[in-house]
This record gives sequence, C-alpha cells and structure tokens, in this order.
Amino acid sequence: QKEVEQDPGPLSVPEGAIVSLNCTYSNSAFQYFMWYRQYSRKGPELLMYTYSSGNKEDGRFTAQVDKSSKYISLFIRDSQPSDSATYLCAMTSDTGNQFYFGTGTSLTVIP
Amino acid sequence: DAGVTQSPTHLIKTRGQHVTLRCSPISGHKSVSWYQQVLGQGPQFIFQYYEKEERGRGNFPDRFSARQFPNYSSELNVNALLLGDSALYLCASNPPSWYQETQYFGPGTRLLVL
Repeated sequence: QKEVEQDPGPLSVPEGAIVSLNCTYSNSAFQYFMWYRQYSRKGPELLMYTYSSGNKEDGRFTAQVDKSSKYISLFIRDSQPSDSATYLCAMTSDTGNQFYFGTGTSLTVIP
Repeated sequence: DAGVTQSPTHLIKTRGQHVTLRCSPISGHKSVSWYQQVLGQGPQFIFQYYEKEERGRGNFPDRFSARQFPNYSSELNVNALLLGDSALYLCASNPPSWYQETQYFGPGTRLLVL
C-alpha cells in the first residue's frame, strides 16, 4: 500500500466550476499537509500548507484535512483556464525529514 | 531575492555514465531535499541534507549519492546510469522553521538516459 493515494484523473471541468481534489493516506504520523500545483515540465509551486485537522482558505482555494479519516481535500472555486495543471498533495510528520507525495491529479479547465 | 536554482536544466546521458546535478537553495535556508519525478508520477524523496549532514534518505540504490557544501548548495550524483533514471530531478529548499512554512522547489533538471 502506498503512503499517499491520489486519483490521477484526468479531470476536465468547465470554467467557473468548483473543483474537488482529494488524497488519502495511511500513516497516522503525518501532521503537515500541502498542496502543490505543477505546470508541464516545471517544478511544483506551493498552493496551500496546513497543520493537523481543519480548514484553511486562501482566495479561491480551500484546503481541508480530516485526520480521523486520513483524508485531505483541495477545493478550487470559480475555476479558471489558468488553473489547468497537475495538482500534487504532499505530507510529512513532525520531523519533516521526508515528504510523501501523491501521484498528482491532472486538471483541465475548459473556457 | 533569488529562488531555488538548479543546473543544468536539461541533460542527455547514455547508460553506464555518471551525472552530477546542482542546486542552490534560497538565501538563509540551510537544508535541501532531492526528489526524483518520473513522468506521470509524484516526486519521490531521495535525500535531505541539513548543515552538510544527511538527515534523511529515501528508498534509492547506492548509485545515488549527494553532498552539501559550506554555502549550503548541494550536488546529487548518480553513477552507472540506467534507462529508468530518466526523470525530472527536483531540489527543494527547506526553511529554518519548516513547520511554519514548507519547502520550495526549483525548476528541476530533466535527465534523459539513452
């Protein structure tokens, strides 16, 4: 079983739609959770960073963490064509020595 | 203020050769991590270095090695290259208080092994 599971998609939505991206994990030691956006052939760009359970909002993006279910989500409101990219979830424990990534979900927002 | 820099951007090697990839972290960051990202997959952790000491190592063979220099820049070395080593190699710069802000990635080095 992988440490982090993420549906690779691809996901295709019309402009303005609400997008929901999800990851599940198996290691209860994970405390810090991140979402990165990666455009083709580029390095990942940090979108959201949360600690433990709860919600965090930043503009059109909302990150949710449910540690009891080992489940994290990223919601994108009013999606734009510029949001078309691969979205990676990542997580680590208190030591921060090793980060674990999902496989990434490919998102296309159609104008 | 410069972000994470990596060199070279692209590299083509043949099987059995050796490669050295370089990374400079964000100013003030003393820790770097290296990842391998195969096409269609998420990044896989290779190494983390802090203050020139190895702090973590992923599940990679001994052909992979790294080091960190006094100026906190880092090199990733891969010996006896295999076709399966073809990937995007990412360097991440880790801030001092990583639990308050997380790591930042460079643009990567794309390695093709023929």
